Amino acid sequence: KQEVTQIPAALSVPEGENLVLNCSFTDSAIYNLQWFRQDPGKGLTSLLLIQSSQREQTSGRLNASLDKSSGRSTLYIAASQPGDSATYLCAVNTGGTSYGKLTFGQGTILTVHP
Amino acid sequence: DAGVIQSPRHEVTEMGQEVTLRCKPISGHDYLFWYRQTMMRGLELLIYFNNNVPIDDSGMPEDRFSAKMPNASFSTLKIQPSEPRDSAVYFCASSLGLAGGFRETQYFGPGTRLLVL
Repeated sequence: KQEVTQIPAALSVPEGENLVLNCSFTDSAIYNLQWFRQDPGKGLTSLLLIQSSQREQTSGRLNASLDKSSGRSTLYIAASQPGDSATYLCAVNTGGTSYGKLTFGQGTILTVHP
Repeated sequence: DAGVIQSPRHEVTEMGQEVTLRCKPISGHDYLFWYRQTMMRGLELLIYFNNNVPIDDSGMPEDRFSAKMPNASFSTLKIQPSEPRDSAVYFCASSLGLAGGFRETQYFGPGTRLLVL
């Protein structure tokens, strides 16, 4: 059974800092991995999707990397802003007979203070 | 596109009552997912559909839960009878799947906050 762990559970940084969020998964036979953002009381917004054949994806100040063999992904946020404050969730699609089935981590609560 | 639409946004009901949650996926998407989010268990997939057909319902907690997708633009998740432990936020998501596999981003609706008293 796939298990996804995110570290740290919470992070508080001053504005402008670069930061890294970590995600690890137990079954390396994944189809893809997605990073989401969730604002309080809201739904999830997809940030980046990395296919199993890819090593990284970039969107603006965000960069996500994937190391399948070690079961790890990182989300790098450059020059953090107060508007980046949210919960960041990592989700793994194991594929196979479970096409479309995402397993989520518990999330990292990020606070960026001015 | 308006994105994934869910209704109601909030629902408060008493134990034993029937609850029906509704979802309209993004037009053209052929995968639809129902998730439940709680503080204790995080986000869990309940069931998902491909082209209106249920593919995996292994996450449905009990027979009290049922989901239908009568057409490509509408799905319901029903709880009957509801219990206090069903209190959670229920999300619907949709995605565009490509032939031969699922590769696309899942787009989430705003969720329905359910409180069962």
